[in-house]
Amino acid sequence: TQLLEQSPQFLSIQEGENLTVYCNSSSVFSSLQWYRQEPGEGPVLLVTVVTGGEVKKLKRLTFQFGDARKDSSLHITAAQPGDTGLYLCAVPLGAGGTSYGKLTFGQGTILTVHP
Amino acid sequence: KAGVTQTPRYLIKTRGQQVTLSCSPISGHRSVSWYQQTPGQGLQFLFEYFSETQRNKGNFPGRFSGRQFSNSRSEMNVSTLELGDSALYLCASSLGGQTGELFFGEGSRLTVL
Repeated sequence: TQLLEQSPQFLSIQEGENLTVYCNSSSVFSSLQWYRQEPGEGPVLLVTVVTGGEVKKLKRLTFQFGDARKDSSLHITAAQPGDTGLYLCAVPLGAGGTSYGKLTFGQGTILTVHP
Repeated sequence: KAGVTQTPRYLIKTRGQQVTLSCSPISGHRSVSWYQQTPGQGLQFLFEYFSETQRNKGNFPGRFSGRQFSNSRSEMNVSTLELGDSALYLCASSLGGQTGELFFGEGSRLTVL
């Protein structure tokens, strides 16, 4: 059983559509991060959410941390081909919420946006 | 500010050989972590170094080892390679802050034949 369950696994949409990706768990976390990874590249940090109920916006991307800090969502408005990539959620696991470099990742959502 | 640099980007080895991968972190970052990424298992934590000391280790066999130098550069070594070691090996650096945000390199793609 994965600590972080991401859904959907695959998403193929047309340019201009909206979409939401989910990251769920039964555990409570001190913080949660979202990364995007493009083919041939390493993951790039998009956002960190820390407070339950927190909403952060990054241009057309909206991130929300669940009230109970067990889940998170990523909503993309008017998707563009440049949004194509693997979206990963991750949480730090370590004493006191510090990760010492150790993040546990979800399996990811592969998003393809067609022109 | 230069990003995380990993070398080599691609390499092919045969079973039984060993391999060494190198990582130069972002200037000022003292924490370096290593991850293995495969289609089946996703991203899995190998180990983390801070000021030349291993502070954290994942669930990988002893064939996987690493070290960090005084300039924060890090290397990881895999001995007695197996077919299942074929993967993208990612290095990440950080300040080691509370939220553990990582800055990844582009990775070293290892193929074991």
